[in-house]
Amino acid sequence: GENVEQHPSTLSVQEGDSAVIKCTYSDSASNYFPWYKQELGKGPQLIIDIRSNVGEKKDQRIAVTLNKTAKHFSLHITETQPEDSAVYFCAASYFNKFYFGSGTKLNVKP
Amino acid sequence: DAGVIQSPRHEVTEMGQEVTLRCKPISGHNSLFWYRQTMMRGLELLIYFNNNVPIDDSGMPEDRFSAKMPNASFSTLKIQPSEPRDSAVYFCASSLGAGDQETQYFGPGTRLLVL
Repeated sequence: GENVEQHPSTLSVQEGDSAVIKCTYSDSASNYFPWYKQELGKGPQLIIDIRSNVGEKKDQRIAVTLNKTAKHFSLHITETQPEDSAVYFCAASYFNKFYFGSGTKLNVKP
Repeated sequence: DAGVIQSPRHEVTEMGQEVTLRCKPISGHNSLFWYRQTMMRGLELLIYFNNNVPIDDSGMPEDRFSAKMPNASFSTLKIQPSEPRDSAVYFCASSLGAGDQETQYFGPGTRLLVL
C-alpha cells in the first residue's frame, strides 16, 4: 500500500505569517492529493486538492505544490489568521483508497 | 445542501454491548467510506462501498466489526461485542464515484466511548 508522511506535527506562527506543511508519499502510482482541515469536534473538511498532472494550484490564501519526481507535496497558507488554527491532514489516493498523513496542528497566534 | 449525516454523534456504552453507527451519504454519491480516527493510528480506512457493494474491507480490524449498505442512502457500521479499544471517532465519507481522483466528503463523526 501507500505510505504518507507529514511534517511538522505541530506548527505555531504569528498572525499574518505564512505556514508550510509538507508531505511525502511512497508510491508513484498515487495520482490525487487532497488536503483537509479538521477543527475540534468536527469532521475533516476539504480545503484544496491537486491532481498528478498539475504542479501547483492556488485558491486565495491557500496553495498546494506537487513534485512527482521527488514524491512530495506541500500546503502553503499565506497571511494566516486565528481561524486557520486547526489540524491539517494531507492524503494520497492510491487505487481508490485515501492514505492520510498523521496531521499537523497549526496554531496561529493573534 | 445536506452533507454526510451521521448518527449518533456521541455514544457511550459498556464493554460487550452491541454498537451500531449510521450514515447517510450525500445524495447522488455512489461511494461510501467508513474511517476510524485515534490518536495512535490517525485516520484509517475500515471499508468502502461502491454502488452499495463492499469493495474493500481489508481495514476492518476483526470479525467483531461489520458494515452494510442496504441502499444508496444508508449504511451502518456495527461492533459486536464492543471493547474499550474500539473507543475512537468513526467517520463516514462519500464521493461521487469510485475513481482515484474523486473527492471524499466527510461527515461530523460519531464519538464512541466503550467503558
